[in-house]
Amino acid sequence: GAVVSQHPSRVICKSGTSVKIECRSLDFQATTMFWYRQFPKKSLMLMATSNEGSKATYEQGVEKDKFLINHASLTLSTLTVTSAHPEDSSFYICSARARERNQPQHFGDGTRLSIL
Amino acid sequence: AQKITQTQPGMFVQEKEAVTLDCTYDTSDPSYGLFWYKQPSSGEMIFLIYQGSYDQQNATEGRYSLNFQKARKSANLVISASQLGDSAMYFCAMRRGTGGFKTIFGAGTRLFVKA
Repeated sequence: GAVVSQHPSRVICKSGTSVKIECRSLDFQATTMFWYRQFPKKSLMLMATSNEGSKATYEQGVEKDKFLINHASLTLSTLTVTSAHPEDSSFYICSARARERNQPQHFGDGTRLSIL
Repeated sequence: AQKITQTQPGMFVQEKEAVTLDCTYDTSDPSYGLFWYKQPSSGEMIFLIYQGSYDQQNATEGRYSLNFQKARKSANLVISASQLGDSAMYFCAMRRGTGGFKTIFGAGTRLFVKA
């Protein structure tokens, strides 16, 4: 079945540093990738939708300069949390969808980001 | 390896009737949590209900209940008195309770509620 790999699974870093999270579709071409942020036992908040080769579409309230999204190829999208602060600590999940119509979303395993 | 399976890609239900969305899982971890999310066309993933592996009773949240059968490794979502607004994509997910924060999702079931 379709697999989405998200890396790293966990990262701990100091406040002020930038952190990059990768999302790869391993066996299909993902024209669209989604980035979510999750709070404990709560909903996954959609942060942005990225389409290969074009700028990401950010949801209202999500800082574009804070959360940089790059979808440079059909198999890779990256989320960079710039100048991370403790309030950015969260669980981030990506998902990917193939170009074919009505294809399901496939989710990565998530990244636990902890900012000290 | 952990795995979540949703075998129903699409389901139809008549308004005001109950519907069951299937979810089976596979894990060797003794501690885990099971989630159901609703995804409307907006793309947001709305948390519906949670069941811990050690919970003795089935979880309920309003019109949502989770039919947790641990021995069969199933965690079906039951929506009672379906409403038109329930039409959406539904995802079952499992989070490992120990050794990390890995969450895996099923492929989803699209529910269509008919008037």
